[in-house]
Amino acid sequence: DAKTTQPNSMESNEEEPVHLPCNHSTISGTDYIHWYRQLPSQGPEYVIHGLTSNVNNRMASLAIAEDRKSSTLILHRATLRDAAVYYCILRDAGGTSYGKLTFGQGTILTVHP
Amino acid sequence: DVKVTQSSRYLVKRTGEKVFLECVQDMDHENMFWYRQDPGLGLRLIYFSYDVKMKEKGDIPEGYSVSREKKERFSLILESASTNQTSMYLCASFKGHSGNTIYFGEGSWLTVV
Repeated sequence: DAKTTQPNSMESNEEEPVHLPCNHSTISGTDYIHWYRQLPSQGPEYVIHGLTSNVNNRMASLAIAEDRKSSTLILHRATLRDAAVYYCILRDAGGTSYGKLTFGQGTILTVHP
Repeated sequence: DVKVTQSSRYLVKRTGEKVFLECVQDMDHENMFWYRQDPGLGLRLIYFSYDVKMKEKGDIPEGYSVSREKKERFSLILESASTNQTSMYLCASFKGHSGNTIYFGEGSWLTVV
């Protein structure tokens, strides 16, 4: 699987937007970009995913660079419940790595009241 | 809603015991995974399976085995538990291609004494 690089930690204030970056310079044309987050003592949960175009859902937005070598998860108004570890992963839609999921270290997001 | 259920949330076992961690999903997912998660090391893939009776080694399979006799159930087995297998174990699954959402269980906290 192609590798992703994320900052170890980020901080935000409540009610402010948060931009979580992810670099994936070795991304292939068939890789989907997925974001998951993990709250303390819980399993990771899905946030958003995309292939080429920017994506929006009720939780967040995903901005994908034109060359697809980086992406940014945007939380429009951070709340205390958004404090979590955020994982950016690439998932190959084909090829020999089909099915294998590898997670990086993720970004620890701290939200201050 | 898709549900991934891990049979035990908290377990305490003795060194040398055989330990079974069960994972069941109710949405006909072909792909199932077992990870362990340790502080500072993130999620590490132990084994995965993309079909009944199929299994593939992940990044850290030593000391573990798996069983996938039915599509909905993926079991992780510690043949002889050791203290370095004290960890949080996560099961995950998804259906079809890599653009689909991954669903995680709540995690099983195993302590080996």
